[in-house]
Amino acid sequence: AQTVTQSQPEMSVQEAETVTLSCTYDTSESDYYLFWYKQPPSRQMILVIRQEAYKQQNATENRFSVNFQKAAKSFSLKISDSQLGDAAMYFCAYRSANRDDKIIFGKGTRLHILP
Amino acid sequence: EAGVAQSPRYKIIEKRQSVAFWCNPISGHATLYWYQQILGQGPKLLIQFQNNGVVDDSQLPKDRFSAERLKGVDSTLKIQPAKLEDSAVYLCASSPLLVSSYNEQFFGPGTRLTVL
Repeated sequence: AQTVTQSQPEMSVQEAETVTLSCTYDTSESDYYLFWYKQPPSRQMILVIRQEAYKQQNATENRFSVNFQKAAKSFSLKISDSQLGDAAMYFCAYRSANRDDKIIFGKGTRLHILP
Repeated sequence: EAGVAQSPRYKIIEKRQSVAFWCNPISGHATLYWYQQILGQGPKLLIQFQNNGVVDDSQLPKDRFSAERLKGVDSTLKIQPAKLEDSAVYLCASSPLLVSSYNEQFFGPGTRLTVL
């Protein structure tokens, strides 16, 4: 069975600085998707960034980028120029490439932004 | 485009009572998911529908939880009777059924259930 591990329950970063959230996963599949979701206090789960396992290039979305290390099964999220609105729970997640398969989430990292 | 709607947003009940949650997915989305998110954990899939058929309910505690998706649109999730450990946020998500292997899941705001 696939598992997703986030070893940092909480992190803090100064506003405008850069922070990296860590994630490791375990799978025997070769084709899959990895995600980072943001969940603010409103509880709405928002997709931040997605990585396809077959792509070697790391995904980037504005201030958000990932470091995808397939052999090491590592998938970290870097947030540059942190803003107060980035404060939230961040979940690393895995999904098989089988169409419409379920998403498996990690336990999350709570990110605090210090003004 | 309207997002996934859920109601109620909050519910407080006594243990052994019954409760029902409602979800209205994004129009046209064939696949609907119910997730349970216990405090301090990531969401866990309870049940997945494709149109009005069940695709995966392997983690649904069927002795007390039930779900239906009549006409392949709205869905209700019911707990009867509730236990203290059912206190959680219940998230509904939906995704379109496209040809590609990737169909993004869109999440609703969730229902926070407290069982006393």
